[in-house]
Amino acid sequence: DTAVSQTPKYLVTQMGNDKSIKCEQNLGHDTMYWYKQDSKKFLKIMFSYNNKELIINETVPNRFSPKSPDKAHLNLHINSLELGDSAVYFCASSQRRESVTGELFFGEGSRLTVL
Amino acid sequence: GEDVEQSLFLSVREGDSSVINCTYTDSSSTYLYWYKQEPGAGLQLLTYIFSNMDMKQDQRLTVLLNKKDKHLSLRIADTQTGDSAIYFCAERPGGYNKLIFGAGTRLAVHP
Repeated sequence: DTAVSQTPKYLVTQMGNDKSIKCEQNLGHDTMYWYKQDSKKFLKIMFSYNNKELIINETVPNRFSPKSPDKAHLNLHINSLELGDSAVYFCASSQRRESVTGELFFGEGSRLTVL
Repeated sequence: GEDVEQSLFLSVREGDSSVINCTYTDSSSTYLYWYKQEPGAGLQLLTYIFSNMDMKQDQRLTVLLNKKDKHLSLRIADTQTGDSAIYFCAERPGGYNKLIFGAGTRLAVHP
């Protein structure tokens, strides 16, 4: 069973389109995240939700809107895609935000290519 | 501020030791981590160290922490070709489970 699963794994689309990436975790974790990894492998946090509540929102354009229908799911919707949005987007989860080690469990990533 | 820096590349011969270095800036970081990313995969936690420790050993892995200099290192003994991957250092500033990652060090192991 995959602990953190994301779909789709690959996404190729045109500039200006709107797209979504879905994430689900079956670990019973309370906290979920979206990270963006650019072509140089820099990994930056975008959002974090704890039990469906947004707790971290880094300086991400408003075109990016996360949605958490329940604590096992965190989806990412992107409006008006731009070339610079091309990256690999990783979903991750962890136990309660006060968890001792803070270990993150990552999905396999969704590679978004904007043409 | 929050910043983690690592060298980008390291090449070692199979059987040698690898040492990957990292510096971080947030002195409130309670935990520091090493994650491994293999091609086409997500990151996986290799090991972590609590900020009141100087060293942690786990089989072939040794983590050294110099809190005064905010320097973290990962030593892999007897490096194997399967160790070829990108290794990310990460700090956890006090508070939430927000991890700040370095840019990753690409380790190449050659015969």
